Amino acid sequence: KNEVEQSPQNLTAQEGEFITINCSYSVGISALHWLQQHPGGGIVSLFMLSSGKKKHGRLIATINIQEKHSSLHITASHPRDSAVYICAVRFKDNTDKLIFGTGTRLQVFP
Amino acid sequence: EPEVTQTPSHQVTQMGQEVILRCVPISNHLYFYWYRQILGQKVEFLVSFYNNEISEKSEIFDDQFSVERPDGSNFTLKIRSTKLEDSAMYFCASGRGRGNEQFFGPGTRLTVL
Repeated sequence: KNEVEQSPQNLTAQEGEFITINCSYSVGISALHWLQQHPGGGIVSLFMLSSGKKKHGRLIATINIQEKHSSLHITASHPRDSAVYICAVRFKDNTDKLIFGTGTRLQVFP
Repeated sequence: EPEVTQTPSHQVTQMGQEVILRCVPISNHLYFYWYRQILGQKVEFLVSFYNNEISEKSEIFDDQFSVERPDGSNFTLKIRSTKLEDSAMYFCASGRGRGNEQFFGPGTRLTVL
């Protein structure tokens, strides 16, 4: 079965801490997305990657295709980073749809 | 920066009524999607649409659901006879091409009473 798992489910941090959120998936993928969902519900795309590493500001996303694992890192975390971070993948089964993980709820305290 | 827009932001309806959720994708995008998120659950794929026809749909997308691109800019999701379990946040997304990054709208919260 094509599945996506994230850990941890919930994460609290002090401002300035380095954050890591993990995503693993069951079978081969063509792409993996990291998305951010704010309390109002809207979803913002952060990264799409199929290999290696991408960086945007304080956010870094990495993927290890052999291990079927990706991580999202936030450096120097800030209270405004508080949100739900979601991993979603496009599996290599000739499909265009995204399969979503359950999300990681991050709270950063000042 | 271009973005996907959705209207209304919140729709309340009675069970059995028809609802139409509207989306305006990013203008040069060719692939369109609907996803939904029941409160407290993960986001689920409903349907993808390209070249004026459905390219893929999930088990959730039964005969009660339909999609349409009526005028070249809007992309709509219709639920013919709403059920209580249709209450969810519905997200529209669009992408430049198959397999490209998908950009999401802000969502429509549907409440069925």
